[in-house]
Amino acid sequence: DSGVTQTPKHLITATGQRVTLRCSPRSGDLSVYWYQQSLDQGLQFLIQYYNGEERAKGNILERFSAQQFPDLHSELNLSSLELGDSALYFCASSPRGQGWGTTEAFFGQGTRLTVV
Amino acid sequence: GQQVMQIPQYQHVQEGEDFTTYCNSSTTLSNIQWYKQRPGGHPVFLIQLVKSGEVKKQKRLTFQFGEAKKNSSLHITATQTTDVGTYFCAGLRQAGTALIFGKGTTLSVSS
Repeated sequence: DSGVTQTPKHLITATGQRVTLRCSPRSGDLSVYWYQQSLDQGLQFLIQYYNGEERAKGNILERFSAQQFPDLHSELNLSSLELGDSALYFCASSPRGQGWGTTEAFFGQGTRLTVV
Repeated sequence: GQQVMQIPQYQHVQEGEDFTTYCNSSTTLSNIQWYKQRPGGHPVFLIQLVKSGEVKKQKRLTFQFGEAKKNSSLHITATQTTDVGTYFCAGLRQAGTALIFGKGTTLSVSS
């Protein structure tokens, strides 16, 4: 158990809909990262938050947005869903924010999103 | 686009054979991390390399970071069925804040 909790574990929704994925980081970790994993693209970095503020952006679509709340949990909002958005979405946390690669990241179990 | 390349994409070995996966970056990296993802699981941190030419060992696993800090490798000696999974390298670009993951090498082992 990494200590990172993601809910829900599975989500099936229709095209055009909007969903929210939730992540609770490990106790004490200030940074939260979101990754999208699909079969052909590997782990794609979407966005990073540190202590409530956006720190870095990756290949995140405009239809997607995220935020980190004062209690440090984070939510990833996906809207106007398309079939191609079906993927496994991982949240990871680490203690620090600057150059997070200097410390290991702890991944949650992921949310498997299926868009039909 | 993808800036960290990993080869091979898939590798099948007989139990007891050795296995190596290679990671190459188009830019110099501050450090590199390796993760393992078991089938149906999530990525789990294995190790981090920071220094040019660094070599680290974890039991049967040997990790190397190239002199130019642009490539890395993971070598498993005498594979076991428990080694099955996908191995990812992830590099932090200099002045970067987020790790860029390779697409991973999926290892299968038959007994």
